[in-house]
Amino acid sequence: EIVLTQSPGTLSLSPGERATLSCRASQSVDSSYLAWYQQKPGQAPRLLMYGASNRATGIPDRFSGSGSGTDFTLTISRLEPEDFAVYYCQKYGSSPLFTFGPGTKVDIK
Amino acid sequence: EVQLVESGGGLVQPGGSLRLSCAASGLTFSPYSMNWVRQAPGKGLEWISYISSRSDTIYYADSVKGRFTISRDNAKNSLYLQMNSLRAEDTATYFCARATPGHIGPYYFYYMDVWGKGTTVTVSS
Repeated sequence: EIVLTQSPGTLSLSPGERATLSCRASQSVDSSYLAWYQQKPGQAPRLLMYGASNRATGIPDRFSGSGSGTDFTLTISRLEPEDFAVYYCQKYGSSPLFTFGPGTKVDIK
Repeated sequence: EVQLVESGGGLVQPGGSLRLSCAASGLTFSPYSMNWVRQAPGKGLEWISYISSRSDTIYYADSVKGRFTISRDNAKNSLYLQMNSLRAEDTATYFCARATPGHIGPYYFYYMDVWGKGTTVTVSS
């Protein structure tokens, strides 16, 4: 079973700053199978990225994803007030069918 | 408006049963695979079950296998989760989520692009 690890656990930044979130897999994952989600308190998750680097519909271009193999990154170029949330990476494929990372909380410094 | 609405959550005793429903509106339900994902209080997301569009492929997480049953009724645009032998560790908010297929080159995959707001299940005596 492939395990996803996210770092840091919490990222404290100010609006306008750049956020870099890491997702590491215990075994190599094809980048096609890697997605990112955003979740705000009391809300459902929202799809941000799929295929590691493809923005979902309606996602602003300040969000970008990259990576391959075991290391993937979600970057928010300039944090807006609405971007403070928890971010999860997710892998599709094999057993279990979907695996989520533990999440990175981006909070206001 | 594209919408998934879960219902059926509540308080149940350990060992009890509960049936969750997810009603789809504003979207074409039948062609899509669906998932249930849960989130324990203050914890992360856990995928628990998948069902294909025609119900011919079903998967479960090990944590619920043998106790939970996923099903769907395309005529009613609805997804279900029958939960039996409930345990305290099943306490969570349960989300239904659409699985949309994608492909990049030779790789085919699913991602969850539409989510309901969730229904809360509490297992406690």
